[in-house]
Amino acid sequence: QVQLVQSGAEVKKPGSSVKVSCKASGGTFNSHTITWVRQAPGQGPEWMGRIIPKFDTRYYAQRFQGRVTITADESTSTAYMELSSLRSEDTAVYYCAREFLTIFGVIVFDSWGQGTLITVSS
Amino acid sequence: DIQMTQSPSSLSASVGDRVTVTCRASQTIDIYLNWYQQKPGKAPKLLIYGASSLQSGVPSRFSGSGSGTDFTLTISSLQPEDFATYYCQQSYSAPIFTFGPGTKLYIK
Repeated sequence: QVQLVQSGAEVKKPGSSVKVSCKASGGTFNSHTITWVRQAPGQGPEWMGRIIPKFDTRYYAQRFQGRVTITADESTSTAYMELSSLRSEDTAVYYCAREFLTIFGVIVFDSWGQGTLITVSS
Repeated sequence: DIQMTQSPSSLSASVGDRVTVTCRASQTIDIYLNWYQQKPGKAPKLLIYGASSLQSGVPSRFSGSGSGTDFTLTISSLQPEDFATYYCQQSYSAPIFTFGPGTKLYIK
């Protein structure tokens, strides 16, 4: 089972950027697909995007297109999510998770990081 | 985009009760429906995948059913550790994924 450990909480100013890291251990990093999900206070999870490190293939949710960049460093088994032009509505806990393709062809998020609280405030 | 709704948004129940949570998709998603449990300050935990398959290590009191647009999560006999928020999630439109708004289960 892969373990995912994320970077710590941050407070950012509106208009700035934040970069959250997600380090994987266990398993082979480039065989995983890493997805990013955020959760605003009191809200349900919201999928942001994903990366397949082996092919450096990324896909972003339309609402974050142009503001989010997901990257991966295979040498350190670490994925990153950078969100720019931050506004107060981006205050949320950001999670990385591993995507797993089940025998039924259904993709699940079966291992999660502990979450990183990003607070956007002037 | 596929939208997910859940009902009820909150539910109070007692230990030992049988509880059912409903999830509906805005279009057919076959069995591409997963359920997660989330406790305060923790990441979501996968419970059910493919609408009805129990994730390894999850107690058998949890079960899921449905296909197409309508799905249910049932807890047959509530235990104290089951009081949490439950989310459905569709992966039919992968690589785009959508979660439901959640159902919060309270102790009565």
